[in-house]
Amino acid sequence: SYELTQPPSVSVSPGQTARISCSGDALPKRYAYWYQQKSGQAPVLVIYEDNKRPSGIPERFSGSSSGTMATLTISGAQVEDEADYYCYSTDSSDDQRVFGGGTKLTVL
Amino acid sequence: EVQLVESGGGLVKPGGSLRLSCAASGFTFSNTYMNWVRQAPGRGLEWVGHIKSKADGETTDYAAPVKGRFTISRDDSKNMLYLQMNSLKSEDTAVYYCLSSFDFWGQGTLVTVSS
Repeated sequence: SYELTQPPSVSVSPGQTARISCSGDALPKRYAYWYQQKSGQAPVLVIYEDNKRPSGIPERFSGSSSGTMATLTISGAQVEDEADYYCYSTDSSDDQRVFGGGTKLTVL
Repeated sequence: EVQLVESGGGLVKPGGSLRLSCAASGFTFSNTYMNWVRQAPGRGLEWVGHIKSKADGETTDYAAPVKGRFTISRDDSKNMLYLQMNSLKSEDTAVYYCLSSFDFWGQGTLVTVSS
């Protein structure tokens, strides 16, 4: 079955840039989406179609994709950005959706 | 404003069945692919399956762990999404979310499978 691979954790100091990677064989042909999930809450979309930001999401959140790797970048991370982040995409046949294992971002 | 409200969760014994519902509003439900996603306690997000729009045949796809046991359906006249879960196992214990396309999530409903 198709898999997306994320690092389990990333840690930065406030104001630094956090980068979270997501690797998958179908990413050259499929969009990546990114979700933020804070403790006890439902996930929230922060990036869609590789690099688009929904309204209401701060500009410090950006996305990129190159080859088999998608990246979520938080420029000038804030304490309130501490959360679990998940990438999401589809397999090459577009039948199966899949989430990455999630990355716990610590900002302190 | 987009709203997705799940209901129907609860405690069920192994081997039992449960039907979850998701009431949608604030967008054109009939044109939207709808997903079910679950999250076991302390674990990550897991895609359960989806149902395409009527225009795309209302076809369904499922993740391997639930295929043959779970069935997703929709009623566009009521803006409702359903998840019929049969032959439940302890590993199906999770919060179940509905997800519209890729963007909006409900608040989730907890399903606990235990004797």
